[in-house]
Amino acid sequence: DGGITQSPKYLFRKEGQNVTLSCEQNLNHDAMYWYRQDPGQGLRLIYYSQIVNDFQKGDIAEGYSVSREKKESFPLTVTSAQKNPTAFYLCASSIEGQGRQPQHFGDGTRLSIL
Amino acid sequence: EDQVTQSPEALRLQEGESSSLNCSYTVSGLRGLFWYRQDPGKGPEFLFTLYSAGEEKEKERLKATLTKKESFLHITAPKPEDSATYLCAVEDSNDYKLSFGAGTTVTVRA
Repeated sequence: DGGITQSPKYLFRKEGQNVTLSCEQNLNHDAMYWYRQDPGQGLRLIYYSQIVNDFQKGDIAEGYSVSREKKESFPLTVTSAQKNPTAFYLCASSIEGQGRQPQHFGDGTRLSIL
Repeated sequence: EDQVTQSPEALRLQEGESSSLNCSYTVSGLRGLFWYRQDPGKGPEFLFTLYSAGEEKEKERLKATLTKKESFLHITAPKPEDSATYLCAVEDSNDYKLSFGAGTTVTVRA
C-alpha cells in the first residue's frame, strides 16, 4: 500500500545534539512538507519542497534544516539551535505543490529532550 | 495573515447525539478548505476538500459545508469510533501553504 513512513516514532535529543527525522513516501508525490504540532496549537509549517533539489522555509524554519535529494525522501534535521524542540513532528506530501490538492500525512515522530 | 479558528475546543457527545463543529477563517482569497481527522498519536487523515461557498461533501456520518466565512462539520448519530480530533485547514489563493486551526476534540460515549 502507498503511504508516508516516518521514523523513528519516538526520539530523544541531548543538549547540543543534532537529530534527523526520516520521511519517505511511495505515493509518487512531487510536494513534501514538514509540520510541527504542539498541544493546543494548529500545525505550523517548518519547510516544504515542491520539487527535488528545491525547498522553501515555512513559518518556523529557524533551528531546522532539510534536504530533498530524492523525490521519495525529505529528511528533517533538528539542530542544536532549536531551543524548544519538544513536539510532535509530522511529514506530509501532495500530488503537486500548486494548490487545491489535499496533503496526506505520516504518523509522526515525537521528539523529546533528555 | 490567514487565521483559522475552530470551536468548540472540546465536545462530549452521547452516542446518537448529533452535533456540529465550526471552523471560521480569514483569508484574502480561499483556494480550498480541508477537513482532517486525527487520532491520538497518529497523523491527520484527510476527510474532505471544499472549494466554494455552498458546497457540501458527505462521508458516512460526516457532512461538511462551506460559506464565505466558515465551514461546519456535522456529525449525525455519532458512534464511539467517531471520537477523534477534527482539524480544519485553509489554503490561501496567494500561496500554496495551509493554515491549520487548533482542532476540536470530539468524545462520543456509548
